Amino acid sequence: GAVVSQHPSRVICKSGTSVKIECRSLDFQATTMFWYRQFPKQSLMLMATSNEGSKATYEQGVEKDKFLINHASLTLSTLTVTSAHPEDSSFYICSARPAGLEDGYTFGSGTRLTVV
Amino acid sequence: QKEVEQDPGPLSVPEGAIVSLNCTYSNSAFQYFMWYRQYSRKGPELLMYTYSSGNKEDGRFTAQVDKSSKYISLFIRDSQPSDSATYLCAMSDGYGNKLVFGAGTILRVKS
Repeated sequence: GAVVSQHPSRVICKSGTSVKIECRSLDFQATTMFWYRQFPKQSLMLMATSNEGSKATYEQGVEKDKFLINHASLTLSTLTVTSAHPEDSSFYICSARPAGLEDGYTFGSGTRLTVV
Repeated sequence: QKEVEQDPGPLSVPEGAIVSLNCTYSNSAFQYFMWYRQYSRKGPELLMYTYSSGNKEDGRFTAQVDKSSKYISLFIRDSQPSDSATYLCAMSDGYGNKLVFGAGTILRVKS
């Protein structure tokens, strides 16, 4: 089945620094990837939709200058949290759908970001 | 009113029980329906994927979609303690479009 690899699984950074999270589709090409944020005991909140070769589409209320998304190839999308602050601490998860295959959306294992 | 409603539980059942999880939705344009299982601090794992109405079975899991009632269900037979997790329903109005998630139901299967 389709596999999405997300890295790192856990990161601790100092306030004011930037953190990059990678999302890779291992055995399929993904023209579209999605980035979510999840708070404890809550459901997934879509942050943005990432399209290969074009600008990401951000959901209302998500700061595009703070959460930079790059989808430079059909197998890699990155989320960079810029100038991170403690309130950015959260669980970030990416998702991708296999191009040309209607078989559900596959999720990465998530990245737990802690900003201190 | 949320687009997708799901009872957050927790739902507690004895081992071996049949579990019924449900979601209702308001957007009649939804055509693609998915159920995910999420363990603590992990990404969601796709359990079932259904297009339009009907039933789909995979091992101990059965997914049902009733578009006329805007209601979807996931049944788990012979539930096991390892099934203890949060179950999320998700749906979209077009394949490749963004998913709308329910709140997730916490399931606890007691041994």
